[in-house]
Amino acid sequence: SAVISQKPSRDICQRGTSLTIQCQVDSQVTMMFWYRQQPGQSLTLIATANQGSEATYESGFVIDKFPISRPNLTFSTLTVSNMSPEDSSIYLCSAARDTDSGANVLTFGAGSRLTVL
Amino acid sequence: AQSVTQLGSHVSVSEGALVLLRCNYSSSVPPYLFWYVQYPNQGLQLLLKYTTGATLVKGINGFEAEFKKSETSFHLTKPSAHMSDAAEYFCAVSASGGYQKVTFGTGTKLQVIP
Repeated sequence: SAVISQKPSRDICQRGTSLTIQCQVDSQVTMMFWYRQQPGQSLTLIATANQGSEATYESGFVIDKFPISRPNLTFSTLTVSNMSPEDSSIYLCSAARDTDSGANVLTFGAGSRLTVL
Repeated sequence: AQSVTQLGSHVSVSEGALVLLRCNYSSSVPPYLFWYVQYPNQGLQLLLKYTTGATLVKGINGFEAEFKKSETSFHLTKPSAHMSDAAEYFCAVSASGGYQKVTFGTGTKLQVIP
């Protein structure tokens, strides 16, 4: 399966600033996703990063707050804009390939742990 | 729409004892079911998946899970726990066919006591 690298692995940010998380996959993948993981809660899908077009956002997430880019089949970025302490979380990049047994098997990066002060 | 319920946010077992992590799902269409494991400071890794066919699915590290449609369950088991099994385990569900959104449970932290 694909190997996913995320950076930064962790960061401490000031309220009101923005941070961009980068996600690099070692092979071309059809679909890339961004999840948020908060303690005691399930992973929540933020959006599907579409190559060459605007990301598809889940209910409760908007482009102005979480702009996403996907310039090619191996790279994506997620920006967390105008951060508040409520945005403190782990952000996970994941990818799926059409060839994964026809099922929706996801590969995940190690995550980016953000703390907003 | 699909949803997953994992019973027990924390489970403790003794080394060598049976591991049983419970997962119940809800799906209006035939589901695909997954178990993922997350070790500290790492991303989630696929343990096993059920798509179609045999309802008892074997995964990595000696884990297995059985799809029981009548009970809407997909519990994860391992006959004998090892210290290295200590991690967080996530059950997940999606609709079958093509790429479908994957919905995760809240996770169960497994502690293995020596």
